[in-house]
Amino acid sequence: NAGVTQTPKFRVLKTGQSMTLLCAQDMNHEYMYWYRQDPGMGLRLIHYSVGEGTTAKGEVPDGYNVSRLKKQNFLLGLESAAPSQTSVYFCASNRRDGETQYFGPGTRLLVL
Amino acid sequence: EDQVTQSPEALRLQEGESSSLNCSYTVSGLRGLFWYRQDPGKGPEFLFTLYSAGEEKEKERLKATLTKKESFLHITAPKPEDSATYLCAVQAMDNFNKFYFGSGTKLNVKP
Repeated sequence: NAGVTQTPKFRVLKTGQSMTLLCAQDMNHEYMYWYRQDPGMGLRLIHYSVGEGTTAKGEVPDGYNVSRLKKQNFLLGLESAAPSQTSVYFCASNRRDGETQYFGPGTRLLVL
Repeated sequence: EDQVTQSPEALRLQEGESSSLNCSYTVSGLRGLFWYRQDPGKGPEFLFTLYSAGEEKEKERLKATLTKKESFLHITAPKPEDSATYLCAVQAMDNFNKFYFGSGTKLNVKP
Protein backbone atom coordinates (compact mmCIF):
# COMPACT_ATOMS: atom_id res chain seq x y z
CA ASN A 1 0.00 0.00 0.00
CA ALA A 2 1.21 3.47 -0.89
CA GLY A 3 -0.84 5.04 1.93
CA VAL A 4 -1.49 8.72 1.31
CA THR A 5 0.19 10.32 -1.68
CA GLN A 6 0.25 13.96 -2.78
CA THR A 7 0.91 15.57 -6.14
CA PRO A 8 2.91 17.71 -6.83
CA LYS A 9 5.71 17.74 -4.26
CA PHE A 10 6.69 21.33 -4.97
CA ARG A 11 5.23 24.18 -6.98
CA VAL A 12 5.95 27.84 -7.61
CA LEU A 13 3.05 30.09 -8.61
CA LYS A 14 2.71 33.72 -9.47
CA THR A 15 0.09 35.80 -7.71
CA GLY A 16 -3.28 35.29 -9.36
CA GLN A 17 -2.52 31.91 -10.90
CA SER A 18 -4.61 28.87 -10.12
CA MET A 19 -3.68 25.31 -9.35
CA THR A 20 -5.02 22.04 -7.97
CA LEU A 21 -3.32 19.82 -5.41
CA LEU A 22 -4.19 16.15 -5.56
CA CYS A 23 -4.38 13.77 -2.63
CA ALA A 24 -4.93 10.05 -3.08
CA GLN A 25 -5.27 7.26 -0.51
CA ASP A 26 -5.48 3.52 -1.02
CA MET A 27 -6.65 2.55 2.48
CA ASN A 28 -10.38 2.84 1.76
CA HIS A 29 -10.68 5.62 4.34
CA GLU A 30 -13.93 7.53 4.59
CA TYR A 31 -12.53 10.79 5.93
CA MET A 32 -9.99 13.03 4.25
CA TYR A 33 -8.48 16.36 5.28
CA TRP A 34 -6.41 19.21 3.94
CA TYR A 35 -4.10 21.11 6.32
CA ARG A 36 -1.59 23.85 5.91
CA GLN A 37 1.52 24.09 8.05
CA ASP A 38 3.26 27.40 8.67
CA PRO A 39 6.24 28.06 10.94
CA GLY A 40 5.24 28.49 14.56
CA MET A 41 1.53 27.92 13.87
CA GLY A 42 1.11 24.20 13.71
CA LEU A 43 -1.21 22.40 11.35
CA ARG A 44 -4.44 24.23 10.54
CA LEU A 45 -7.42 22.54 8.95
CA ILE A 46 -8.53 24.02 5.62
CA HIS A 47 -11.34 21.69 4.48
CA TYR A 48 -12.35 18.14 5.15
CA SER A 49 -14.61 15.45 3.76
CA VAL A 50 -16.53 12.73 5.56
CA GLY A 51 -17.33 10.80 2.41
CA GLU A 52 -17.52 10.79 -1.35
CA GLY A 53 -19.38 13.83 -2.61
CA THR A 54 -19.28 15.70 0.71
CA THR A 55 -17.01 18.51 1.88
CA ALA A 56 -16.96 20.90 4.83
CA LYS A 57 -15.02 23.98 5.92
CA GLY A 58 -12.28 23.84 8.49
CA GLU A 59 -10.49 26.56 10.39
CA VAL A 60 -8.96 28.49 7.43
CA PRO A 61 -11.07 27.82 4.29
CA ASP A 62 -10.93 31.23 2.60
CA GLY A 63 -9.23 31.22 -0.80
CA TYR A 64 -9.51 27.44 -1.20
CA ASN A 65 -12.02 25.05 -2.71
CA VAL A 66 -12.17 21.27 -2.55
CA SER A 67 -13.85 18.37 -4.25
CA ARG A 68 -14.27 14.69 -3.43
CA LEU A 69 -15.68 13.06 -6.53
CA LYS A 70 -14.10 9.69 -5.78
CA LYS A 71 -13.63 8.13 -2.34
CA GLN A 72 -9.90 7.76 -2.81
CA ASN A 73 -9.19 11.30 -4.03
CA PHE A 74 -9.45 14.71 -2.40
CA LEU A 75 -8.56 17.78 -4.46
CA LEU A 76 -7.60 21.18 -3.11
CA GLY A 77 -7.92 24.14 -5.46
CA LEU A 78 -6.54 27.63 -5.34
CA GLU A 79 -8.49 29.83 -7.76
CA SER A 80 -6.32 32.94 -7.48
CA ALA A 81 -3.14 32.34 -5.52
CA ALA A 82 -1.88 34.94 -3.05
CA PRO A 83 1.52 35.20 -1.31
CA SER A 84 -0.26 34.46 2.00
CA GLN A 85 -0.95 30.98 0.64
CA THR A 86 2.75 30.15 0.59
CA SER A 87 2.88 27.14 2.89
CA VAL A 88 3.32 23.41 3.13
CA TYR A 89 0.07 21.57 2.48
CA PHE A 90 -0.64 18.18 3.99
CA CYS A 91 -3.39 15.76 3.20
CA ALA A 92 -4.55 13.21 5.76
CA SER A 93 -7.12 10.45 5.94
CA ASN A 94 -8.70 8.16 8.50
CA ARG A 95 -11.47 5.65 8.94
CA ARG A 96 -14.82 6.46 10.52
CA ASP A 97 -15.22 7.66 14.07
CA GLY A 98 -12.15 9.87 14.09
CA GLU A 99 -9.44 7.30 14.39
CA THR A 100 -5.80 8.11 13.88
CA GLN A 101 -5.03 10.24 10.86
CA TYR A 102 -2.45 9.14 8.29
CA PHE A 103 -0.60 11.94 6.54
CA GLY A 104 0.85 12.37 3.09
CA PRO A 105 4.38 13.68 2.45
CA GLY A 106 3.25 17.24 1.81
CA THR A 107 3.26 19.77 -1.04
CA ARG A 108 5.45 22.85 -0.75
CA LEU A 109 3.83 25.83 -2.43
CA LEU A 110 5.55 29.14 -3.04
CA VAL A 111 3.45 32.04 -4.31
CA LEU A 112 5.46 34.96 -5.66
CA GLU B 1 -12.11 27.87 22.40
CA ASP B 2 -10.28 24.61 21.83
CA GLN B 3 -6.54 25.11 22.09
CA VAL B 4 -3.31 23.16 22.23
CA THR B 5 0.00 24.54 23.53
CA GLN B 6 3.28 22.68 23.37
CA SER B 7 6.43 23.45 25.33
CA PRO B 8 9.26 23.96 24.98
CA GLU B 9 9.40 25.13 21.36
CA ALA B 10 12.85 23.60 21.02
CA LEU B 11 14.89 21.22 23.14
CA ARG B 12 18.52 20.23 22.80
CA LEU B 13 19.66 17.11 24.63
CA GLN B 14 22.82 15.13 24.84
CA GLU B 15 22.53 11.49 23.85
CA GLY B 16 21.31 9.59 26.90
CA GLU B 17 19.91 12.68 28.64
CA SER B 18 16.25 11.96 29.45
CA SER B 19 13.59 14.70 29.34
CA SER B 20 9.91 15.40 28.80
CA LEU B 21 7.85 17.37 26.31
CA ASN B 22 4.62 19.00 27.39
CA CYS B 23 1.27 19.38 25.64
CA SER B 24 -1.40 21.35 27.48
CA TYR B 25 -4.89 21.53 26.06
CA THR B 26 -8.22 23.22 26.47
CA VAL B 27 -11.11 21.38 24.92
CA SER B 28 -14.79 21.13 25.74
CA GLY B 29 -14.62 17.39 26.02
CA LEU B 30 -11.60 15.30 25.08
CA ARG B 31 -12.19 12.35 22.83
CA GLY B 32 -8.53 11.63 22.11
CA LEU B 33 -5.04 13.09 22.33
CA PHE B 34 -2.55 12.17 19.64
CA TRP B 35 1.23 12.36 19.45
CA TYR B 36 3.01 12.52 16.11
CA ARG B 37 6.64 12.64 15.03
CA GLN B 38 7.58 14.80 12.05
CA ASP B 39 10.93 14.62 10.29
CA PRO B 40 12.10 17.53 8.11
CA GLY B 41 10.38 17.59 4.74
CA LYS B 42 7.96 14.79 5.65
CA GLY B 43 4.44 14.41 6.90
CA PRO B 44 3.58 13.68 10.54
CA GLU B 45 3.89 10.05 11.58
CA PHE B 46 1.55 8.67 14.21
CA LEU B 47 3.03 7.63 17.58
CA PHE B 48 0.31 7.32 20.24
CA THR B 49 -3.35 7.89 21.02
CA LEU B 50 -4.49 8.50 24.60
CA TYR B 51 -8.15 8.61 25.54
CA SER B 52 -8.49 9.07 29.29
CA ALA B 53 -6.65 10.60 32.23
CA GLY B 54 -4.16 8.20 33.74
CA GLU B 55 -3.58 6.34 30.51
CA GLU B 56 0.01 5.63 29.44
CA LYS B 57 1.47 4.28 26.19
CA GLU B 58 5.07 3.24 25.47
CA LYS B 59 7.10 2.67 22.34
CA GLU B 60 10.83 2.05 22.54
CA ARG B 61 12.32 5.13 24.29
CA LEU B 62 9.06 7.09 24.25
CA LYS B 63 6.31 7.10 26.84
CA ALA B 64 3.18 9.23 26.63
CA THR B 65 1.00 10.07 29.61
CA LEU B 66 -2.27 11.95 29.97
CA THR B 67 -3.93 14.03 32.68
CA LYS B 68 -7.12 16.07 32.51
CA LYS B 69 -5.24 19.16 31.33
CA GLU B 70 -2.01 18.01 29.74
CA SER B 71 0.02 15.23 28.24
CA PHE B 72 3.70 14.47 28.52
CA LEU B 73 5.97 12.71 26.10
CA HIS B 74 8.85 11.29 28.10
CA ILE B 75 12.02 10.43 26.23
CA THR B 76 14.34 8.04 28.04
CA ALA B 77 18.02 7.86 27.06
CA PRO B 78 17.42 9.50 23.67
CA LYS B 79 19.55 8.78 20.62
CA PRO B 80 20.38 11.13 17.72
CA GLU B 81 17.78 9.35 15.57
CA ASP B 82 15.09 10.61 17.95
CA SER B 83 15.75 14.12 16.66
CA ALA B 84 12.53 15.39 15.07
CA THR B 85 9.60 17.68 15.72
CA TYR B 86 6.98 16.15 17.99
CA LEU B 87 3.39 17.27 17.46
CA CYS B 88 0.44 16.96 19.77
CA ALA B 89 -3.19 17.08 18.64
CA VAL B 90 -6.53 16.84 20.40
CA GLN B 91 -9.90 15.71 19.16
CA ALA B 92 -13.04 17.06 20.77
CA MET B 93 -16.12 15.05 21.67
CA ASP B 94 -18.46 17.48 19.94
CA ASN B 95 -16.76 17.19 16.55
CA PHE B 96 -14.85 14.03 15.69
CA ASN B 97 -13.75 15.49 12.38
CA LYS B 98 -11.64 18.30 13.75
CA PHE B 99 -8.18 17.83 15.18
CA TYR B 100 -6.44 20.76 16.88
CA PHE B 101 -2.68 20.71 16.60
CA GLY B 102 -0.01 22.35 18.69
CA SER B 103 2.93 24.05 17.00
CA GLY B 104 5.31 21.29 18.04
CA THR B 105 8.54 20.78 19.97
CA LYS B 106 11.69 20.51 17.89
CA LEU B 107 14.00 18.00 19.55
CA ASN B 108 17.71 17.85 18.74
CA VAL B 109 19.72 15.03 20.30
CA LYS B 110 23.46 15.48 20.03
CA PRO B 111 25.82 12.49 20.04
